[in-house]
Amino acid sequence: AQSVAQPEDQVNVAEGNPLTVKCTYSVSGNPYLFWYVQYPNRGLQFLLKYITGDNLVKGSYGFEAEFNKSQTSFHLKKPSALVSDSALYFCAVRTSDTGGFKTIFGAGTRLFVKA
Amino acid sequence: GAVVSQHPSRVICKSGTSVKIECRSLDFQATTMFWYRQFPKKSLMLMATSNEGSKATYEQGVEKDKFLINHASLTLSTLTVTSAHPEDSSFYICSASGQVGSGQGTDTQYFGPGTRLTVL
Repeated sequence: AQSVAQPEDQVNVAEGNPLTVKCTYSVSGNPYLFWYVQYPNRGLQFLLKYITGDNLVKGSYGFEAEFNKSQTSFHLKKPSALVSDSALYFCAVRTSDTGGFKTIFGAGTRLFVKA
Repeated sequence: GAVVSQHPSRVICKSGTSVKIECRSLDFQATTMFWYRQFPKKSLMLMATSNEGSKATYEQGVEKDKFLINHASLTLSTLTVTSAHPEDSSFYICSASGQVGSGQGTDTQYFGPGTRLTVL
């Protein structure tokens, strides 16, 4: 079965420090991987994706993610966290199915950045 | 580009009434639209996937007759919660994918801002 795991419910980091939000996946075939961010009472905003090519993917707001095939991971990173980065982050994998595709989301990781 | 809107953003209704939620792709044609439901502090649960002009494909456990989905055009999909009950109260989020800009693929989903439904 195809799945996405975010092992941490919550990540706390001080402003200015680097942050990492972990994600591992289980898919058949080549993975399409995504990160989204959700602010309170809002929909999801697309941050970045990995389809193919360079393992290090750069996205919006200074975020990046590294695709590691051997570890089946796609951790989200940012060199220097901002208080405004505090939000709920979802890792997702796109799966293929008859008639099209659908996206499976991890459980989400809440990021708290303290000033 | 790739803006998805939802209307209304918030709705309160009485038990037994029906509520319609609209999802629009504003600057691209959405060949596929998805409807999700999100419970407090939980992840998104896919309810159904719809392709323009086709019947929606519902996930296991989602009642087709209760959650009516229509995707009549490439820019509009609607979700109607029929005979709503308090347990239907939730945050409903739509998502769309399609050709965005020139040379952009359809592999990314873009999300609406969500609709909070409260059934009294």
